[in-house]
Order: sequence, then C-alpha cells, then structure tokens
Amino acid sequence: NAGVMQNPRHLVRRRGQEARLRCSPMKGHSHVYWYRQLPEEGLKFMVYLQKENIIDESGMPKERFSAEFPKEGPSILRIQQVVRGDSAAYFCASSPAAWGDEQYFGPGTRLTVT
Amino acid sequence: AQSVAQPEDQVNVAEGNPLTVKCTYSVSGNPYLFWYVQYPNRGLQFLLKYITGDNLVKGSYGFEAEFNKSQTSFHLKKPSALVSDSALYFCAVGAAGNKLTFGGGTRVLVKP
Repeated sequence: NAGVMQNPRHLVRRRGQEARLRCSPMKGHSHVYWYRQLPEEGLKFMVYLQKENIIDESGMPKERFSAEFPKEGPSILRIQQVVRGDSAAYFCASSPAAWGDEQYFGPGTRLTVT
Repeated sequence: AQSVAQPEDQVNVAEGNPLTVKCTYSVSGNPYLFWYVQYPNRGLQFLLKYITGDNLVKGSYGFEAEFNKSQTSFHLKKPSALVSDSALYFCAVGAAGNKLTFGGGTRVLVKP
C-alpha cells in the first residue's frame, strides 16, 4: 500500500508565476489536508478537503491560494502569482475517516520562489 | 481556539539515557493528541496518539507518552535514547473537523 504521494518534490518558480502542487492520498483515504511549513517552524494548517468538497479552509490565504480534491485524480493546491514569501515546504496528509484518525503525511513539496 | 506549546527548542541527551520531550496543550472539549517525528527533508511520521482510555500510550520505536488532563500535558518519553532518534519532534492537538494544530517542534540530539 503506497503512502501519500506528492509531486513535484521540488518546485522553483519566478515571482508572478503559478505553482501547482499535487497530492495523491493513501488508498482508501478520502480526507486530505494541506499544511505549510516555513524553515525551522511547525506545520500550519491550510485546508481540509473530502472528495469534491472543501470542509475547512480557515488556514488558507483568501487571495492567490486555492485547493481542490476532484472525484477523480489527485488533490491540487494552486498558488497564483507567487511571491517570495510563499517559499516553504507544503505537506499533504490523508486519513481514512474523520475524528481521531491519525493523518499520514507525504514527503512534501519544497517551493522556492526566485 | 486550540494551541500547543513545546517549551524546549532543543533537547540534548546521551545515548542510553532517558529522553523526554515536553508538550502542553489548550483545547475546548476532549482533546485528541498526537506525536510525530520528522527527519531532514522528509515528511512527518506518526509515532502515537491519545484519544481516550489509558493515560499511558505506547507507540512506535519504543516511544510512549503520558496524558495528564489536570496539567494539560502530553509528554513524549523513551527510556533509552538511540543516536538514530535524533530528529525534530512535533506534538499536535486535534478538534472537531480534524484540523490539527502543531507545536513549534523540539529538536532532539542524541550524542553517542
């Protein structure tokens, strides 16, 4: 059973470009979460999705950031018009059910904005 | 709002000695608590969790944690540390809706 997969592992974008980060949850998991980690800091919750629904996006900036988890295919975190402050590691996690289940994390995508 | 505090940025311990990583939390209602470990350039790996039941929770790689409701703490422990335990450890608290709030992390350095 493959773990949570994220791609790309490393992404370099110039300021103003778009970044698309992909996450495939573990088989059988229908809950997906995105977190952002700045250097030497903890993870900050961004958004929680189930298939075709955004459940909680309270941690995601209102502008430039969007997330989706379509019926088919991976979850996508999209950052438009990237700025240097968006440089971070973005982690995706998945869990099989709600309340109390541990979340399994992917290896992360390291975004560098030049 | 929920929050987690890991008061120590770094813990140094000699190999073979006991290891403790501290965590205190604040949450409305009954908490569910997690410990994760992160190795360089890797994602987080689940170590253990507390939902209900016995206050002493045993997890992976010989780690355990004790839930203390009165002190709102969930300290991670290992009786005998290994050099390979050197990593970044995160405590997290959950609430309704599954949003996890993470502490700032504690770097553990186990010296031979």
